[in-house]
Amino acid sequence: ILNVEQSPQSLHVQEGDSTNFTCSFPSSNFYALHWYRWETAKSPEALFVMTLNGDEKKKGRISATLNTKEGYSYLYIKGSQPEDSATYLCAFRAGGTSYGKLTFGQGTILTVHP
Amino acid sequence: AAGVIQSPRHLIKEKRETATLKCYPIPRHDTVYWYQQGPGQDPQFLISFYEKMQSDKGSIPDRFSAQQFSDYHSELNMSSLELGDSALYFCASTSTEWGSEGYTFGSGTRLTVV
Repeated sequence: ILNVEQSPQSLHVQEGDSTNFTCSFPSSNFYALHWYRWETAKSPEALFVMTLNGDEKKKGRISATLNTKEGYSYLYIKGSQPEDSATYLCAFRAGGTSYGKLTFGQGTILTVHP
Repeated sequence: AAGVIQSPRHLIKEKRETATLKCYPIPRHDTVYWYQQGPGQDPQFLISFYEKMQSDKGSIPDRFSAQQFSDYHSELNMSSLELGDSALYFCASTSTEWGSEGYTFGSGTRLTVV
């Protein structure tokens, strides 16, 4: 059973604050680490797919880093806005014959207060 | 742009009834995944299909079956429904040619068993 853990489970920040949260995953048999943003009543939206150790990806005010050797990824949001409020899911994809199956963490629920 | 279409959006069934959930992937996506998310839980992988063949199987009960048709749409059939089957069922699709893309999720079918 693959263990994908996210922390914290929930986070409340004020508009303008920068924030970050963590996803830890198995450090062996790594293929890819996905980050998704999931707003209530909508479907999860892909943010990043990270495949290389040391990868850093950025989309607007959101960025992510990847350390496959120690099995963690950080997601950063700079200058949080109320529209950033969502659940942020990470998902681990193992190599080998997993046929692309993703194992999800529990998610971090971010609430940005105006 | 076309997205992953799931139907129905909501479904209410009684115990021991049967339900069929449908998923229409993005055109040219060859792989479909089904996930189940119970209340307060992370999404759990159920089953996947690549080019109309089952490619991987997760924690899918024997009461459930699924298939992918020639037009690549997939159906999840659930029989002898139990109260514990109440959950949000997500379908996601991807193309194996585009390894660096995240998966595209449908909006989900919320199944309530009463």
